[in-house]
Amino acid sequence: QTVVTQEPSLTVSPGGTVTLTCASSTGAVTSGYYPNWFQQKPGQAPRALIYSTSNKHSWTPARFSGSLLGGKAALTLSGVQPEDEAEYYCLLFFDGAQVWVFGGGTKLTVL
Amino acid sequence: EVQLVESGGGLVQPGGSLRLSCAATGFTFSNYWMNWVRQAPGKGLEWVTNIKQDGSEKYYVDSVKGRFTISRDNAKNSLYLQMNSLRVEDTAVYYCARGVEYWGQGTLVTVSS
Repeated sequence: QTVVTQEPSLTVSPGGTVTLTCASSTGAVTSGYYPNWFQQKPGQAPRALIYSTSNKHSWTPARFSGSLLGGKAALTLSGVQPEDEAEYYCLLFFDGAQVWVFGGGTKLTVL
Repeated sequence: EVQLVESGGGLVQPGGSLRLSCAATGFTFSNYWMNWVRQAPGKGLEWVTNIKQDGSEKYYVDSVKGRFTISRDNAKNSLYLQMNSLRVEDTAVYYCARGVEYWGQGTLVTVSS
């Protein structure tokens, strides 16, 4: 069973920069896993932020960026805003991109 | 505007059945893979199943294989999830999603005696 691992929690100061990562139990994460990132706030549905490693949706703020970093997928927030406090989930695609596996989520606190 | 509206959730006893629906508007439904994703109370996201545009391919997470069935009706712009032999651990908010981009607001399924 494939496990996708994220940092359980991170804290960042307003205006700061933070990087969240996403690792796979199968080995290095590559672009072939089409990494996606989502933001979820309490009581709301997830909101897609990044697809296929580094591509932004039309609604994704410019301060969010995706990349591959040291064998993991990464989401970097630059110039963090208070409203960025949320849970962030990564998603990797397996088996020809039709089987999804989510990471456990990272709770980002802006303090 | 893309909209996905789930319905059919509720309280069901262990071993029971429930059928979820997702009504899609604002896009050509028959052009997209569709997914169900769930989230247990206070827990993370778990992908459940998806279905190809014409219904010819379906994939499931291991924990629901043989119990859940995904289907779609392109004429009615609707996605379904038939859930049988429900377990307490199936309790979750179930989201309908078009690819990764668009998500509904979810419907709560509670499995409890």
